[in-house]
Amino acid sequence: DQQVKQNSPSLSVQEGRISILNCDYTNSMFDYFLWYKKYPAEGPTFLISISSIKDKNEDGRFTVFLNKSAKHLSLHIVPSQPGDSAVYFCAASEGNNAGNMLTFGGGTRLMVKP
Amino acid sequence: EPEVTQTPSHQVTQMGQEVILRCVPISNHLYFYWYRQILGQKVEFLVSFYNNEISEKSEIFDDQFSVERPDGSNFTLKIRSTKLEDSAMYFCASRPGQGHSPLHFGNGTRLTVT
Repeated sequence: DQQVKQNSPSLSVQEGRISILNCDYTNSMFDYFLWYKKYPAEGPTFLISISSIKDKNEDGRFTVFLNKSAKHLSLHIVPSQPGDSAVYFCAASEGNNAGNMLTFGGGTRLMVKP
Repeated sequence: EPEVTQTPSHQVTQMGQEVILRCVPISNHLYFYWYRQILGQKVEFLVSFYNNEISEKSEIFDDQFSVERPDGSNFTLKIRSTKLEDSAMYFCASRPGQGHSPLHFGNGTRLTVT
């Protein structure tokens, strides 16, 4: 079951440049999308989210873009910093129900080089 | 900032033994979750819990698993008879209320079944 896919297992960028992480989904019922960051030995930490009624949400250095027709979302980090080095997961949920379970992608390991 | 806490951080058990993983969700949150991540694999949903009952569960959450909120603060996951394939990181998460809101995760319990 690959409802949420992150096709790039890793990404390396130079400090100060833009990092772009991508995510594709197949379930057209998903209406809420999130990005989480995970350091080793820690749980996922919420970064930013977007509802399907929007196509962009920005929070400081982080911007999430949603293209519903392509079933694609991306996370832009600019400028990238060495502390951003972590595994990034996209996640999606379906409907406004009590369960609100998240379906996660497989993650992309971002390495920001000083 | 309030956080989800999980104990123990690492649990080693023998196959066939029962384990209880403990979580203290954020105090004003109403929805509680368990997820797991087998090494090298995706973060997978196990179960969601609201109003003292399970609201959703995945195929992974079979009769060997149970959850309980024994008091006003703890949320536990019990595995009755552990198998080798239960070895994973188990993450507890909570969120405040209905509607779209991000899940807040604990740092996980690493379960090793030998």
